[in-house]
Amino acid sequence: DQQVKQNSPSLSVQEGRISILNCDYTNSMFDYFLWYKKYPAEGPTFLISISSIKDKNEDGRFTVFLNKSAKHLSLHIVPSQPGDSAVYFCAASEGYSGGGADGLTFGKGTHLIIQP
Amino acid sequence: NAGVMQNPRHLVRRRGQEARLRCSPMKGHSHVYWYRQLPEEGLKFMVYLQKENIIDESGMPKERFSAEFPKEGPSILRIQQVVRGDSAAYFCASSPLVVIPYNEQFFGPGTRLTVL
Repeated sequence: DQQVKQNSPSLSVQEGRISILNCDYTNSMFDYFLWYKKYPAEGPTFLISISSIKDKNEDGRFTVFLNKSAKHLSLHIVPSQPGDSAVYFCAASEGYSGGGADGLTFGKGTHLIIQP
Repeated sequence: NAGVMQNPRHLVRRRGQEARLRCSPMKGHSHVYWYRQLPEEGLKFMVYLQKENIIDESGMPKERFSAEFPKEGPSILRIQQVVRGDSAAYFCASSPLVVIPYNEQFFGPGTRLTVL
């Protein structure tokens, strides 16, 4: 049973426009959410995160929105650039144990393609 | 400041052989996580370790898989008697001690295991 869902396997956006990637979750115990970007044959790279006590976090061109009541979050990239073409993973965590952060639960990813 | 190191990057084994995957966390990081990514899937959490301690192994298959993070040296993920279904990309991540609000996990480049 998937606790983190990314329902769009791929998304094509024109360069300079806004990219919106969506993510839904079912586990109400999740209290921290992260977005990772992944290129082929590389490990995921952290992009941006948000705590469940917030509804928005912004870092440069990247903004993450969280709607707790809908159990939905989204990543906005504006303006989109060719280097943004990659697979984007939504991930969630329930918190901490043993002094460190718990293992992350990932969605299946959305392949973002930025067209010139 | 080296990132998370994993070796080998590619590993080919025949059915029934053993696979050993190594992970050196980032300098100063005391927590290590292992994830597995099957084709067309997201990353699945396997195990979370601190030095000489397994904190959470809820994602580890019950048989043939084991992990350790000794006092000295890298973390090792060991797969005994490999089968074709073990073919996947295995990613290691590390994080430092907990710092509020959250520590993201930093990922290595992965080991691609192919079982013939």
